[in-house]
Amino acid sequence: DVKVTQSSRYLVKRTGEKVFLECVQDMDHENMFWYRQDPGLGLRLIYFSYDVKMKEKGDIPEGYSVSREKKERFSLILESASTNQTSMYLCASSLGLRNTEAFFGQGTRLTVV
Amino acid sequence: KQEVTQIPAALSVPEGENLVLNCSFTDSAIYNLQWFRQDPGKGLTSLLLIQSSQREQTSGRLNASLDKSSGRSTLYIAASQPGDSATYLCADGTSYGKLTFGQGTILTVHP
Repeated sequence: DVKVTQSSRYLVKRTGEKVFLECVQDMDHENMFWYRQDPGLGLRLIYFSYDVKMKEKGDIPEGYSVSREKKERFSLILESASTNQTSMYLCASSLGLRNTEAFFGQGTRLTVV
Repeated sequence: KQEVTQIPAALSVPEGENLVLNCSFTDSAIYNLQWFRQDPGKGLTSLLLIQSSQREQTSGRLNASLDKSSGRSTLYIAASQPGDSATYLCADGTSYGKLTFGQGTILTVHP
């Protein structure tokens, strides 16, 4: 089975801190994604990566950056955390270009105080 | 821009009922349609993936159909159980597996 693992289930950070959310997948998938999930807004794509060191913005990239130095690992970075970034963050991976099933991690609940 | 809508927003049924969850999308040029389950505070579990060339997929008590021409997908759950209680999300997939999600249907199956 595909396993997507997020480094933390819960995080509490202070406003202005630099925050790193880590995600690792074990199935040699080409593509990795970061989504955030908010009540009433659903899941929205922040960034995705289709290869090592390659990245593209999703629908809501403002305030975030990403890093993919190795195929299996995709990091989401909040350069200066703000309270409006309090959310559930979900990492996902998929195999290739077309008709590929996405697999999700268990989620990280981030609270910025 | 693709929009995905799920109806109903919430559904409460007695155990044993067969039920249908609906998903509609505005752009029929999709690569695939994926159904997920989400338990409170948890990540998403993939249930079924229907490729754009397929009409339906089945897994156990679950059956998902896809009608691209009408922009609709349905998830059919047979003989519902309390353990089926969760939020069900549909999402259309495009290149690289990028997903556009509906808002979800919250299902409660009571004994």
